[in-house]
Amino acid sequence: IVLTQSPGTLSLSPGERATLSCRASQTVSSGDLAWYQQKPGQAPKVLIFGASFRATGIPDRFSGTGSGTDFTLTISRLEPEDFAMYFCQLYGSSPAFTFGPGTKVDIK
Amino acid sequence: QVHLQESGPRLVKPSETLSLTCSVSGGSIIGFYWGWIRQAAGKDLEWIGHLINTGDTNYNPSLMSRVTMSLDVSKNEISLRLNSVTAADTAVYYCARMGATKLRDLWTHYRYDYWGQGSLVTVSS
Repeated sequence: IVLTQSPGTLSLSPGERATLSCRASQTVSSGDLAWYQQKPGQAPKVLIFGASFRATGIPDRFSGTGSGTDFTLTISRLEPEDFAMYFCQLYGSSPAFTFGPGTKVDIK
Repeated sequence: QVHLQESGPRLVKPSETLSLTCSVSGGSIIGFYWGWIRQAAGKDLEWIGHLINTGDTNYNPSLMSRVTMSLDVSKNEISLRLNSVTAADTAVYYCARMGATKLRDLWTHYRYDYWGQGSLVTVSS
């Protein structure tokens, strides 16, 4: 299963809403979809698992929705620390984990 | 708080073996799946494989012929060996702990919830 993410880059201002898309090449279980944030020089950090469950300590401005083949990560109001790369991840059969190519959220 | 730290040679010659160790502190490695993920410059995150102390091991088919993972419970460490390396194996290598949720007797919500800082390994002569 291939994951595609769009857009490749999202240029927004602090306070704006960010909507990131992750699309799977075939129907997947929403329970197997996660989102990560990665800043330069740092490891990815899990934000959302099971498509819609926020990981511990993640602010409620981050939310995940979706099912089937289409999933969305929404950041309701961008804070300065939210400008980063965002990856979706799927747990599947082979390989067990697949990552999308990422969306870069940068400052407009 | 669980902390992971990768260590090992930063430079490996082509055709040789890449070896990394992940030291875990703040919790036991027993009972969890531990994975290795790599990220080459300009490329997607690539899952290498994971294992658990009970012996269950799962490797990415694309790397399976060259990968060996192991763990040392006494040292609370996980190890990765990747043999016959080429320049294409140059990447930042992360170790990570897999998380999951049990819902009505079924495991789901698989994700990596703790990560090391990553170790850049360059393959070059």
